[in-house]
Amino acid sequence: QQQVKQSPQSLIVQKGGISIINCAYENTAFDYFPWYQQFPGKGPALLIAIRPDVSEKKEGRFTISFNKSAKQFSLHIMDSQPGDSATYFCAASMIIGGTYKYIFGTGTRLKVLA
Amino acid sequence: KAGVTQTPRYLIKTRGQQVTLSCSPISGHRSVSWYQQTPGQGLQFLFEYFSETQRNKGNFPGRFSGRQFSNSRSEMNVSTLELGDSALYLCASSQGLAGSKFFGPGTRLTVL
Repeated sequence: QQQVKQSPQSLIVQKGGISIINCAYENTAFDYFPWYQQFPGKGPALLIAIRPDVSEKKEGRFTISFNKSAKQFSLHIMDSQPGDSATYFCAASMIIGGTYKYIFGTGTRLKVLA
Repeated sequence: KAGVTQTPRYLIKTRGQQVTLSCSPISGHRSVSWYQQTPGQGLQFLFEYFSETQRNKGNFPGRFSGRQFSNSRSEMNVSTLELGDSALYLCASSQGLAGSKFFGPGTRLTVL
């Protein structure tokens, strides 16, 4: 019940295209959903996050779509660029023991072709 | 503000040895979490500290331990290293218990 399922495992997109990564969760107690971007040799960097009271959040070329009834959320990267090539992790978090516990998806390796 | 820093960045140890990793959170952040990242298992939560107290713990054996100091810096210790402990160990800090987490660059541990 605390799993977060992320798909696809890898994704190849042409420059200028739209990259879409999906995540699904089971536990309705999750109430914060961040996305992280990780480049090789670096730690994950917070990209964008959403709470379940909104259905969409946009920051520049990055958009999170959230479907509370389906317990799914997705990351859309518009006008994908070669510099976006990285591994993306979704996460779902909830308060446990007075602190937010994060459950991460397994990651999606994105490659944007020039 | 400087980001989360972790030292050392790379470590090579042999089985049976022990290792201590260090994490300095972003200035003003009081919560520090530790994660193990491997290709097969992804990001696995180890433990979280806030105000020098362990607030949450993942499903790792007792060989993995940590502590937090009064200046919020944290250390993680792994005793009796096993080959399977080879991983990238990530530290993340947040301002409070419910704040967004910001990761450091990690310590790459290789156990031979």
